[in-house]
Amino acid sequence: EPEVTQTPSHQVTQMGQEVILRCVPISNHLYFYWYRQILGQKVEFLVSFYNNEISEKSEIFDDQFSVERPDGSNFTLKIRSTKLEDSAMYFCASSEFQVPRSIYGYTFGSGTRLTVV
Amino acid sequence: GEDVEQSLFLSVREGDSSVINCTYTDSSSTYLYWYKQEPGAGLQLLTYIFSNMDMKQDQRLTVLLNKKDKHLSLRIADTQTGDSAIYFCAEIPDTGRRALTFGSGTRLQVQP
Repeated sequence: EPEVTQTPSHQVTQMGQEVILRCVPISNHLYFYWYRQILGQKVEFLVSFYNNEISEKSEIFDDQFSVERPDGSNFTLKIRSTKLEDSAMYFCASSEFQVPRSIYGYTFGSGTRLTVV
Repeated sequence: GEDVEQSLFLSVREGDSSVINCTYTDSSSTYLYWYKQEPGAGLQLLTYIFSNMDMKQDQRLTVLLNKKDKHLSLRIADTQTGDSAIYFCAEIPDTGRRALTFGSGTRLQVQP
């Protein structure tokens, strides 16, 4: 079964540093997403990306965040100047259709745990 | 905005049935999903239901949807210790938005 791959699985960074979280979506998927889950809280939508541009973003996704698809396979989330409150599990997801009609809906990666110290 | 609510914790004995409940507010919710998250792992899609369905059964899993009350439930028959995890319901409206709205998750503890 195809997978969404995220690297690294765990990243520790100092406050104020830039981090890049990496994702390899499923190859025939066209829509890509980032979600985050602060420990003990809900999974929250950050951004969706289609056709090389952001199609939707939440209030959380402010100017400190950016996404990019630098080549045909990777999808990255950059946080320019990390804050303590950015500590969370970040999930990448991809889907084939505009609305996830298939049984698979979104396919999520296993996440990157970001710890800001 | 959309909101999805779940009870936080459920404890059952191995072999019993588990019922995890979810309520949502968005009347345009079209697709409703159940995800499972094991400790330290990602979100695994378990099953889904479309809003034009009332029930869906998939092996040990039964999803019931009450559109009038905006209530969704997941029943796990013959619950096993391997079912211990956090279960999230999530919805996506048919408004062109693509963001999933998740509930807070229900932690299912299965006691041997």
